[in-house]
Amino acid sequence: GAGVSQSPSNKVTEKGKDVELRCDPISGHTALYWYRQSLGQGLEFLIYFQGNSAPDKSGLPSDRFSAERTGGSVSTLTIQRTQQEDSAVYLCASSLLWGVVDYGYTFGSGTRLTVV
Amino acid sequence: AQRVTQPEKLLSVFKGAPVELKCNYSYSGSPELFWYVQYSRQRLQLLLRHISRESIKGFTADLNKGETSFHLKKPFAQEEDSAMYYCALSEGRGSTLGRLYFGRGTQLTVWP
Repeated sequence: GAGVSQSPSNKVTEKGKDVELRCDPISGHTALYWYRQSLGQGLEFLIYFQGNSAPDKSGLPSDRFSAERTGGSVSTLTIQRTQQEDSAVYLCASSLLWGVVDYGYTFGSGTRLTVV
Repeated sequence: AQRVTQPEKLLSVFKGAPVELKCNYSYSGSPELFWYVQYSRQRLQLLLRHISRESIKGFTADLNKGETSFHLKKPFAQEEDSAMYYCALSEGRGSTLGRLYFGRGTQLTVWP
């Protein structure tokens, strides 16, 4: 597609429920990243997919968080048993693997998650 | 360890005044540095890259390896510059990792 697409744009969920956030990267971008943006915390790295390699999951805050990327394209971030502290904007970005230095990331518009 | 530090959460200046958003980094190799900007209700987007030594919207940033800084500057701020600014670091071209490390951001407000 023309840009990075994320859905839903807003999600309100009850504490304890599971949520799935979707990211559709730019076609041809082999690298995909998930970040979390919250007030006072800036951009917190969550997970990074690089082609067919094992993802870098070092930023996932707990085992309630998981992500997958199917067919090297669309990615889904799943948060199980949501807690109020999970409320944030979840940003997805993609890049050409060897293009980060030259071109940086292209970000999606994010999913605003509110856990009530 | 925090690789990128932006010491100011908030910064306010009047229109026409110079503005400098500070960014310091911690990395022993040869990093590449970036500034990203997020205007109200818009996506986070790349503003400028150290590697291209460009000036975008009047902003420039110089990499100072001695001081490990990459401060963003503009001589005459405009109201439309009001936004959240993030400094980011890549571990460089030789790295197989594409990950960017972001600072916590500085919210710039330019008053009329």
